[in-house]
Amino acid sequence: GQSLEQPSEVTAVEGAIVQINCTYQTSGFYGLSWYQQHDGGAPTFLSYNALDGLEETGRFSSFLSRSDSYGYLLLQELQMKDSASYFCAVRDSWGKLQFGAGTQVVVTP
Amino acid sequence: ETGVTQTPRHLVMGMTNKKSLKCEQHLGHNAMYWYKQSAKKPLELMFVYNFKEQTENNSVPSRFSPECPNSSHLFLHLHTLQPEDSALYLCASSQGISGDSYEQYFGPGTRLTVT
Repeated sequence: GQSLEQPSEVTAVEGAIVQINCTYQTSGFYGLSWYQQHDGGAPTFLSYNALDGLEETGRFSSFLSRSDSYGYLLLQELQMKDSASYFCAVRDSWGKLQFGAGTQVVVTP
Repeated sequence: ETGVTQTPRHLVMGMTNKKSLKCEQHLGHNAMYWYKQSAKKPLELMFVYNFKEQTENNSVPSRFSPECPNSSHLFLHLHTLQPEDSALYLCASSQGISGDSYEQYFGPGTRLTVT
């Protein structure tokens, strides 16, 4: 079957670095996406990796290892506004996204 | 604002009611999606439309009926729902379904409660 695993919750203080891991078992893998969702809000796109390696976008970076079926999202210089749920999602060749259950990131002062 | 709007934002309906959810995208995209988000569960893809044609029905019960009259509008018609159908229903759009069209833009969702 198809599955994605990511931690359910991570807590960190402002200014810290948080890494959210995502492992997947899927067929027809095309790329790995990350989305952020604040309480009561819509999921918003953060990053996408189709090839192995690190993609950096400001304070957020995303990494993919296709051979290990593994990726992570790195949040640096954490801010209170980063408190949200973060979802990894596998994209197949038909454009369909399969989402993980999400990681709740709690940032404390 | 993501360029994707959904109405209504909240809906309470009885199991015998018929209602419709509406989604509109102002991004010029060609693909639109319906997702269901239940508490503590991953987002579940329900339907995919590409250029108004349905390309995916993810084993969704027939009490959910999608309609896509054009590339900018997507509806989800609801009838004889069950309490377990209570969830946040999210609409999304993307440029297409293949190649570099990997970013999906989500609407704010409709919070549905079935009583």
